[in-house]
Amino acid sequence: AQTVTQSQPEMSVQEAETVTLSCTYDTSESDYYLFWYKQPPSRQMILVIRQEAYKQQNATENRFSVNFQKAAKSFSLKISDSQLGDAAMYFCAYWFRNFGNEKLTFGTGTRLTIIP
Amino acid sequence: SQTIHQWPATLVQPVGSPLSLECTVEGTSNPNLYWYRQAAGRGLQLLFYSVGIGQISSEVPQNLSASRPQDRQFILSSKKLLLSDSGFYLCAGIKQTGGLRSLHFGNGTRLTVT
Repeated sequence: AQTVTQSQPEMSVQEAETVTLSCTYDTSESDYYLFWYKQPPSRQMILVIRQEAYKQQNATENRFSVNFQKAAKSFSLKISDSQLGDAAMYFCAYWFRNFGNEKLTFGTGTRLTIIP
Repeated sequence: SQTIHQWPATLVQPVGSPLSLECTVEGTSNPNLYWYRQAAGRGLQLLFYSVGIGQISSEVPQNLSASRPQDRQFILSSKKLLLSDSGFYLCAGIKQTGGLRSLHFGNGTRLTVT
């Protein structure tokens, strides 16, 4: 079974600084997707960024970028120029598609605090 | 574009009472749908998923059940709630944008069993 591990329950960063959130996963598959979701205090789940495993190039979305290391099964999220609105729970997730069945497995999350 | 509707937003129920949470989807047909639960301060646990009407897969043994009576309707139920059923319940569906697929969530239901 696939597992996703986020080893940092809490992180904090000074406003305008850069922070990296860690994620590792376990799978025997070669074709899959990885995601980072953000959950602010409203508890709405918001997609931040996604990465296809077959792509070597790391995904970027404005201030958000990932460091995808397929051999190491590592998928970290870097937030540059941190803003107060970035404060939230961040969840790493693994998606595998098998014969039409698609399931997203989540890590336990990292709570990010932004220090003004 | 796809929209996931969940209700109610908040629910307080006594132990032993029944439960029915409803999720409906707009903007797509034959979606894969999912129920997740998030316990306080924890990650998301997949409870059920459905690939079509009447097709339900259960991920973990529990006090809950799910049904899909219509293409765009997914219902989470219980005959008798337990204290451990308290949590935040999220319905989700697959969204495809420009060939890229991702999971899109409703706003969730906060369930407190007293």
